[in-house]
Amino acid sequence: SQTIHQWPATLVQPVGSPLSLECTVEGTSNPNLYWYRQAAGRGLQLLFYSVGIGQISSEVPQNLSASRPQDRQFILSSKKLLLSDSGFYLCAWSDTNSVQETQYFGPGTRLLVL
Amino acid sequence: KNQVEQSPQSLIILEGKNCTLQCNYTVSPFSNLRWYKQDTGRGPVSLTIMTFSENTKSNGRYTATLDADTKQSSLHITASQLSDSASYICVVRSSGGSYIPTFGRGTSLIVHP
Repeated sequence: SQTIHQWPATLVQPVGSPLSLECTVEGTSNPNLYWYRQAAGRGLQLLFYSVGIGQISSEVPQNLSASRPQDRQFILSSKKLLLSDSGFYLCAWSDTNSVQETQYFGPGTRLLVL
Repeated sequence: KNQVEQSPQSLIILEGKNCTLQCNYTVSPFSNLRWYKQDTGRGPVSLTIMTFSENTKSNGRYTATLDADTKQSSLHITASQLSDSASYICVVRSSGGSYIPTFGRGTSLIVHP
């Protein structure tokens, strides 16, 4: 069966510090991968998605970046965090061979920038 | 522009009661509509998925309906339980070849004992 992992679960960082959130998927190959952010009381906002190694598409211009160094690894990074980067970050994967393309979400990382 | 609107924004009901959540969308061309349940502090989990030809689909006490003509969907929860307290998110995917679904902001449901 497939599983998706995210870490850390919670993170408190000062403004201006760097960020690295990691997401890994097990039990599948060549998944589509997604990074979402959910601000308090708001809906899910798609940040990045990837259809293959090294292929990243950005949906929202910001001070965040994403990388996919391996087939089942997706990393969200920032060189300098802003207060507005606080939120709940969710990684998701979907099966490229599935017509319905259900997105399966990870447990999330709660980021607080102070 | 593809949009998904959900109502109500929040809802409080007593345990054992039924409730209905609404979703209106303007996504075109339509491929499928999915309802997710998101417990606080957790990732969303898919409850149901409906394609153009499906009007009703059930998953236990959850029943989703779809009216593709009016572009509306509802999620009915029967005999609510405390564990139903969560955010319910409507997500619509276009058949236009995009990998990106359109998410609603969700309805926050609180079930009180």
